[in-house]
Amino acid sequence: EVQLVESGGGLVQPGRSLRLSCAASGFMFHDYAMHWVRQAPGKGLEWVSGITWKSGITGYADSVKGRFTISRDNAKNSLYLQMTSLRAEDTALYYCAKGGLADAFDIWGLGTMVTVSS
Amino acid sequence: DIQLTQSPSFLSASVGDRVTITCRASQGISSYLAWYQQKPGKAPKLLIYAASTLQSGVPSRFSGSGSGTEFTLTISSLQPEDSATFYCQQLNSYPYTFGQGTKLEIK
Repeated sequence: EVQLVESGGGLVQPGRSLRLSCAASGFMFHDYAMHWVRQAPGKGLEWVSGITWKSGITGYADSVKGRFTISRDNAKNSLYLQMTSLRAEDTALYYCAKGGLADAFDIWGLGTMVTVSS
Repeated sequence: DIQLTQSPSFLSASVGDRVTITCRASQGISSYLAWYQQKPGKAPKLLIYAASTLQSGVPSRFSGSGSGTEFTLTISSLQPEDSATFYCQQLNSYPYTFGQGTKLEIK
């Protein structure tokens, strides 16, 4: 079964760091680009970051550039998002998504909640 | 960055109706556009990619069209289970962006 499972979310104070993980199974992880998308409570979807299959190209939303770092370990079928200098506005459900044909996001995880609050 | 504007933001329609949602891009994106459906408490689901290609397993009442800066998602005959929020997304260049969403209510 094709599956993405996020972990690492939680309650964190402003200015602190957090690392999210996404475990992939059921497909050739190393062949696909991967992405992080977030959704603040009651709000729309926001693309956060993406990484190509060989980690050659990464991209970030302006709102997280310089604070978040995406990475992947193809040997472990895992995607990561290192988040630093967290702000209240980073509070959201963070989804991991697989880039399929035309890089459209064809597989999504259930998400992991990040709450930034003192 | 490429901005996407969806219209309308809210739509109420009856079962059997034909429904159209529009997505406009701030600059040309060729056909690098996808459409997603999201139901409350669930992850988004891919409906259409490359502007007009139906994702496997998605009912044929959903269709997409357009290229360049203007795109549409059409539901040919609305069903009760289509109540959801729909998002467009451009995949032309980083940073990828989503439209603000269209909430579809079944009367």
